[in-house]
Amino acid sequence: ETGVTQSPTHLIKTRGQQVTLRCSSQSGHNTVSWYQQALGQGPQFIFQYYREEENGRGNFPPRFSGLQFPNYSSELNVNALELDDSALYLCASSQVGAASTDTQYFGPGTRLTVL
Amino acid sequence: ILNVEQSPQSLHVQEGDSTNFTCSFPSSNFYALHWYRWETAKSPEALFVMTLNGDEKKKGRISATLNTKEGYSYLYIKGSQPEDSATYLCASWETSYDKVIFGPGTSLSVIP
Repeated sequence: ETGVTQSPTHLIKTRGQQVTLRCSSQSGHNTVSWYQQALGQGPQFIFQYYREEENGRGNFPPRFSGLQFPNYSSELNVNALELDDSALYLCASSQVGAASTDTQYFGPGTRLTVL
Repeated sequence: ILNVEQSPQSLHVQEGDSTNFTCSFPSSNFYALHWYRWETAKSPEALFVMTLNGDEKKKGRISATLNTKEGYSYLYIKGSQPEDSATYLCASWETSYDKVIFGPGTSLSVIP
């Protein structure tokens, strides 16, 4: 298992609510990427944080936002939840700020259900 | 628009068989290709990061090749074991960070 942890494991919310998901990166890693995996699909890139700054974003609306803290842990915030936000949310950390060429270490994911 | 495809979608093989899967990606603006193994109830595990045309990587019984000019990568498993049962994902990065696309995965079941 990697040293990447995510919390909570499962979460149930209702439409319109807000949610915060958390990720602790592997020791020594300064880059965190977030992904959404809907049922039957591959993970979709949401955004990446490098040294507390957003460093790349996929095709997700602004109600998906994030933070990275000085210890390089990260949060994913989703406002105004929609039914289609129901998915597995994965975070991955990497060491040198270039997740494109560096090995990414994934957490176990948070399963979000929006009713 | 970047589109990554994987084939087959699923595969059932007998223990001891060798097998291979394909990941296809647009070759323009290619930067890197990642392969992952994802076992049920676990985190995706990185297998390989490949960047150069003609790259070949090996990890135990698993190996991968990369052809960036024609836009494909093969993953090979020699002598499949039940513990190889997992979904195998590939992800292609374009030259800008906001263009990483995962394929839908190949689900492998190895029958003892």
